Amino acid sequence: GAVVSQHPSWVICKSGTSVKIECRSLDFQATTMFWYRQFPKQSLMLMATSNEGSKATYEQGVEKDKFLINHASLTLSTLTVTSAHPEDSSFYICTTAPGYTDTQYFGPGTRLTVL
Amino acid sequence: GQNIDQPTEMTATEGAIVQINCTYQTSGFNGLFWYQQHAGEAPTFLSYNVLDGLEEKGRFSSFLSRSKGYSYLLLKELQMKDSASYLCAVRDNLGYKLSFGAGTTVTVRA
Repeated sequence: GAVVSQHPSWVICKSGTSVKIECRSLDFQATTMFWYRQFPKQSLMLMATSNEGSKATYEQGVEKDKFLINHASLTLSTLTVTSAHPEDSSFYICTTAPGYTDTQYFGPGTRLTVL
Repeated sequence: GQNIDQPTEMTATEGAIVQINCTYQTSGFNGLFWYQQHAGEAPTFLSYNVLDGLEEKGRFSSFLSRSKGYSYLLLKELQMKDSASYLCAVRDNLGYKLSFGAGTTVTVRA
């Protein structure tokens, strides 16, 4: 299957700081990437759809000014959690696919812990 | 939107068969996926159905009935390493987003 990487794998930060998470598609170009969040023992919840060269589309209830998404190239999307708080501690995962009707593959995830 | 239901937990014995059901109500449909997720890790792709019928892949098979809004994942010859959460996900036909069920935790006992 396709290879998707995320960096960092885990991060611990102080409350009030910002954290940037990168998602890269390594063997194909991705026009669209999706960002999910998963709290412990819960399912994945879609946060936003990242579109190369245009603004991200956020799901209802997700603050676009808090979760900044940039999709500057066909292989890289970044999610920046601004002014992080302990309630933002979660597992953040990106997915992408070569085409809209192809299988979506997950990055390995980034575990964020805000102290 | 999508409403996806699957059982919370299932337990089975090593070597046995387990069937995980998933029902969905959707405003648009463009495929159903099954993923496996071990604790602390990202989900990994298992199967994809877009047409009715059974897709077999080794010890794992997945079935879809679009008219009934129903799918199942069949795990045969269970191994201890199959203990994990299994996620049913439906893709819509607008933004091609995936909506996930809450996941079924399968525990395989010796």
